[in-house]
Amino acid sequence: NAGVTQTPKFQVLKTGQSMTLQCAQDMNHEYMSWYRQDPGMGLRLIHYSVGAGITDQGEVPNGYNVSRSTTEDFPLRLLSAAPSQTSVYFCASAKSTVGNTIYFGEGSWLTVV
Amino acid sequence: GQQVMQIPQYQHVQEGEDFTTYCNSSTTLSNIQWYKQRPGGHPVFLIQLVKSGEVKKQKRLTFQFGEAKKNSSLHITATQTTDVGTYFCAGPDYKLSFGAGTTVTVRA
Repeated sequence: NAGVTQTPKFQVLKTGQSMTLQCAQDMNHEYMSWYRQDPGMGLRLIHYSVGAGITDQGEVPNGYNVSRSTTEDFPLRLLSAAPSQTSVYFCASAKSTVGNTIYFGEGSWLTVV
Repeated sequence: GQQVMQIPQYQHVQEGEDFTTYCNSSTTLSNIQWYKQRPGGHPVFLIQLVKSGEVKKQKRLTFQFGEAKKNSSLHITATQTTDVGTYFCAGPDYKLSFGAGTTVTVRA
């Protein structure tokens, strides 16, 4: 009963490097999303997907790419890491887009130096 | 765009006391959700409110949705050390807009 699984849990990157944060859910959820959390700012939506093959931008999409080739996986790619992308990243999923509990992964702590 | 504001940002509570955190939206919400995040943890869903004026209780926690569906509150009675964490309101539905949260600390 894994739920939402994120990897890696911790990562240090140098400015300009690229990397992918992995997210997988085993609940057959249609909806998946990525948030970043910075101190005092709550969680901000980066990208989301309402189903396989469909993605859309959230509140803070710049510098990030996503894809949804399968229902289970929703990776987040940082194209050229910047110190401003130092944050905690949470992946989340829900059965559908309306009226359902949203489940969060345990988070990925990313530091860009 | 839609904004969800929470007050207070910090709440220091004596164990056994009650407190309330408030959530206000700039627009009418179809529903609102509340989450709790323990220090170092991830947000965990607590409850969803849908109807105008709705009140729901979970043990010592009471959640209320305003009549105009633009505000909500969470009231905790007899605070315990297990209530430590940050409480977020968010809405609506899947494209959740989160408030900044109320971080609760408890004095034993």
